[in-house]
Amino acid sequence: EPEVTQTPSHQVTQMGQEVILRCVPISNHLYFYWYRQILGQKVEFLVSFYNNEISEKSEIFDDQFSVERPDGSNFTLKIRSTKLEDSAMYFCAIWTGENNQPQHFGDGTRLSIL
Amino acid sequence: KQEVTQIPAALSVPEGENLVLNCSFTDSAIYNLQWFRQDPGKGLTSLLLIQSSQREQTSGRLNASLDKSSGRSTLYIAASQPGDSATYLCAVSSTMDSSYKLIFGSGTRLLVRP
Repeated sequence: EPEVTQTPSHQVTQMGQEVILRCVPISNHLYFYWYRQILGQKVEFLVSFYNNEISEKSEIFDDQFSVERPDGSNFTLKIRSTKLEDSAMYFCAIWTGENNQPQHFGDGTRLSIL
Repeated sequence: KQEVTQIPAALSVPEGENLVLNCSFTDSAIYNLQWFRQDPGKGLTSLLLIQSSQREQTSGRLNASLDKSSGRSTLYIAASQPGDSATYLCAVSSTMDSSYKLIFGSGTRLLVRP
């Protein structure tokens, strides 16, 4: 059973629409992350979430992005008004906070903006 | 600002060869280093994690080494198989980041020919 499950696996949305990507960790972790990978490019950090608040965000993570963990289980990434350049693979990752433990990644959500 | 570079960008070898993938990073103040495997259109599978105090880690046919002072890591794959064909990503987290986010290289795309 995977450490973290992401839904949906693929989302196709019209430009300007809102999307919510979901991540469900299988067990208790302290750190939650969103990364994205535009086709053919590097995996890049978007935001980290620790102790129920954002601990760091990248320049990419502007006002159209938000994250929350509403029920202490699901971890969501919302893009309020999508742009064509938001098309990418979005990965959720979780980490226990221990140096000898890896970050575990979900299988990703492929977001396609039309 | 931490930057991670991987060479070669692509590698094609016949089955059975031993091979080495290289990763370099610009800032030696790392917390740990992870090697991942990514199959086309899929998520990231963690292969090996090396803590900053360690020199190497082994898992089956894989061996990863770390030379923090020179900013380098290598992933050694013994007796390569066609099933090893994938993109291999190196990523580091920094002691300067309270979020412990991962900074990724561009990856090495490996093809093992039968």
